[in-house]
Amino acid sequence: AQTVTQSQPEMSVQEAETVTLSCTYDTSESNYYLFWYKQPPSRQMILVIRQEAYKQQNATENRFSVNFQKAAKSFSLKISDSQLGDTAMYFCAFMKGNQGAQKLVFGQGTRLTINP
Amino acid sequence: NAGVMQNPRHLVRRRGQEARLRCSPMKGHSHVYWYRQLPEEGLKFMVYLQKENIIDESGMPKERFSAEFPKEGPSILRIQQVVRGDSAAYFCASAQDPSYEQYFGPGTRLTVT
Repeated sequence: AQTVTQSQPEMSVQEAETVTLSCTYDTSESNYYLFWYKQPPSRQMILVIRQEAYKQQNATENRFSVNFQKAAKSFSLKISDSQLGDTAMYFCAFMKGNQGAQKLVFGQGTRLTINP
Repeated sequence: NAGVMQNPRHLVRRRGQEARLRCSPMKGHSHVYWYRQLPEEGLKFMVYLQKENIIDESGMPKERFSAEFPKEGPSILRIQQVVRGDSAAYFCASAQDPSYEQYFGPGTRLTVT
């Protein structure tokens, strides 16, 4: 079974700083996808960024980028120029890439607070 | 294109009652997933359905919980004889393709008193 571990329960930075959230996973699959989801106080789950395991290039979405280290099974999220609106729970998630059931396996989350 | 709709947003039930949670996927999406989030925890997979079929129910408790996604209408997650431990946020997600991104609804927060 796949597992996802987020070792930082909480983080706090000042506005405009850069912050990196850690995520490691365990799988024997070779084909899979990794995701970061954001859950603000409204509790809506919002997809932040997605990475396909077969792609060596790290995904980037505006101020959000990932550092995907496949051999180390590490998938960290970097938020540059952090904003107050980035305050939220952040969940790392794994999905197998085969044609079977495509459930997401989530980590426990990191509560990120951006301070003014 | 409307997003994933869930209703009700908040549901209060007494112990022993039944809870019915509804999920309408995004237009054109035929894959529906249900997840449960206990307080201060991540989301846990419960069940994956396509129209009229349960594909994976490995995360569903064996008793009291059931799910369906009929040919017409929303997907329903039913919890019979609710207990305090069922209090949680229940999220539905839909996808157009099972190997692609899932779009989440706003969740239903179930409180059992």
